[in-house]
Amino acid sequence: GQQLNQSPQSMFIQEGEDVSMNCTSSSIFNTWLWYKQDPGEGPVLLIALYKAGELTSNGRLTAQFGITRKDSFLNISASIPSDVGIYFCAGYGGATNKLIFGTGTLLAVQP
Amino acid sequence: NAGVTQTPKFQVLKTGQSMTLQCAQDMNHEYMSWYRQDPGMGLRLIHYSVGAGITDQGEVPNGYNVSRSTTEDFPLRLLSAAPSQTSVYFCASSLGVSSYNEQFFGPGTRLTVL
Repeated sequence: GQQLNQSPQSMFIQEGEDVSMNCTSSSIFNTWLWYKQDPGEGPVLLIALYKAGELTSNGRLTAQFGITRKDSFLNISASIPSDVGIYFCAGYGGATNKLIFGTGTLLAVQP
Repeated sequence: NAGVTQTPKFQVLKTGQSMTLQCAQDMNHEYMSWYRQDPGMGLRLIHYSVGAGITDQGEVPNGYNVSRSTTEDFPLRLLSAAPSQTSVYFCASSLGVSSYNEQFFGPGTRLTVL
């Protein structure tokens, strides 16, 4: 089935560092979403993007909808220990117009 | 509101056993769905429902059945469990199927099939 390629797979950083992750697809998406999953919990929506080129912030998080509509980026500034978790991109569009998830980026933050 | 609830939280089955994973939401959402999460694979859609009495297949439906008799409940049935169905299962709901409707996820059911 269709999947989004998300990178990096994992990141181990020091508290205070900035983080960047991205998501790419071979097909065009109409909506890009970024979720965070805490250990033992379900994903929670962080940011939703609806227009190519759109740049949206949520506190220390900033995400962008790529101009080609085939990619999206998430940046976290000044990371803190509670940023630990798995970050998923997801998109609507492609052949089925169903929500497709990326493979996830595991973020570990050392105090 | 409790949001989306799932039971059980953990389950161990033997190959060939059947069971039902329960999902309920109290937000009067029309759209409900089931995903499975496997390491390195993200979440994959199993089945979904756009309203009571209406269900459809997602990306990986084989080995699973669903029904939607009420707006609130969307159970997932494993008819004959296989080791390949070892996974974490998430139920989600949203107001509608539009991408503008945020999907809310339950806490998950961790299933092991021996």
